[in-house]
Amino acid sequence: NAGVTQTPKFRILKIGQSMTLQCTQDMNHNYMYWYRQDPGMGLKLIYYSVGAGITDKGEVPNGYNVSRSTTEDFPLRLELAAPSQTSVYFCASRRAQDRTNEKLFFGSGTQLSVL
Amino acid sequence: DAKTTQPTSMDCAEGRAANLPCNHSTISGNEYVYWYRQIHSQGPQYIIHGLKNNETNEMASLIITEDRKSSTLILPHATLRDTAVYYCIVRVASTGTASKLTFGTGTRLQVTL
Repeated sequence: NAGVTQTPKFRILKIGQSMTLQCTQDMNHNYMYWYRQDPGMGLKLIYYSVGAGITDKGEVPNGYNVSRSTTEDFPLRLELAAPSQTSVYFCASRRAQDRTNEKLFFGSGTQLSVL
Repeated sequence: DAKTTQPTSMDCAEGRAANLPCNHSTISGNEYVYWYRQIHSQGPQYIIHGLKNNETNEMASLIITEDRKSSTLILPHATLRDTAVYYCIVRVASTGTASKLTFGTGTRLQVTL
């Protein structure tokens, strides 16, 4: 029962490097999300998707890109890593049908450091 | 979405009930109250949600005041594994677009022996 799987768990990047954080879910959820969490803070929404081919910006999208070619996968791309992107990144998903139950399922996170 | 106010931290003895308060005095009639928790370094975990009535599931109970301006999450018999940050979130029911739950800083619950 995998749920939401994120890879890698840890990564260190140099300033200016690029990388893709992977997220996949096996629950056939239409809605997927990317959040970031800075130390001691709450989660902030980066991007979200309501289905394959459809993405939209959240609260803090600058410096990131996403794509949604399949229902299962929702990768997050950092093109030019900056120290301000040092954070823990969480991917989440939920069923579109549950309009009165916004129960999100989260992955275990990717801890990213940009030095 | 209505703003929520939670205490920064709370302590609870193992085996006792943990009562976590949340104030949402500006809540509107169609907004639900959600509770999530985040155990250290893990992704948040859904606990429970409700609109008007009190709710109970295998994890916790949610008590919402009659005027809906505040609520309390109750963990009936707290264990060390319940040590976590607990988030209270108020959110209008989805209208068909993706929800964008806003997670504040929550209440850090420390369960002790």
